[in-house]
Amino acid sequence: TQLLEQSPQFLSIQEGENLTVYCNSSSVFSSLQWYRQEPGEGPVLLVTVVTGGEVKKLKRLTFQFGDARKDSSLHITAAQPGDTGLYLCAGVSNNDMRFGAGTRLTVKP
Amino acid sequence: KAGVTQTPRYLIKTRGQQVTLSCSPISGHRSVSWYQQTPGQGLQFLFEYFSETQRNKGNFPGRFSGRQFSNSRSEMNVSTLELGDSALYLCASSLSWRAPLHFGNGTRLTVT
Repeated sequence: TQLLEQSPQFLSIQEGENLTVYCNSSSVFSSLQWYRQEPGEGPVLLVTVVTGGEVKKLKRLTFQFGDARKDSSLHITAAQPGDTGLYLCAGVSNNDMRFGAGTRLTVKP
Repeated sequence: KAGVTQTPRYLIKTRGQQVTLSCSPISGHRSVSWYQQTPGQGLQFLFEYFSETQRNKGNFPGRFSGRQFSNSRSEMNVSTLELGDSALYLCASSLSWRAPLHFGNGTRLTVT
């Protein structure tokens, strides 16, 4: 059973489109991390959000932590083929760190 | 700074055999965690070591074990392999438990 639900599971879009992926839980987290994993490689940390309501931007990627620190979203503006990969969220609590199953994004040129 | 190194990259074993995977963390990182990644279950936490001590353990059978050496390098062992153990095994190092993880590129294990 996944404590973190990520949606959608799969997403295929054209270059230039915008998209949002979600990471939801019934648990409260002290922080939440987002990773991107490309084929044949391990996940790479994109961002950590800590404060409820926090918004962080990384070029065309915008990350938001929910006010109650139970959920998060990742918005990509004008997606590029280089954004293709598996996006994973990881919720951190006092004694645990759990990963969602991920959103597999494909951006077609 | 060198990243996390995992060896070997690929392994093919048969049911009933045992296997040992190796992980060298980033220099200065004392926490090493192991994960199993499969298409159906995603990333599942196996265990975490800090200063040669296992601090946390996931919900895996006793066939899965690990250890950490004084130089922080870690090994993971799986005994009596089953077909369902086929997966990508990822090692990650960090400065401390729950700090952002730095992953290696994994060992792809196939059990036939």
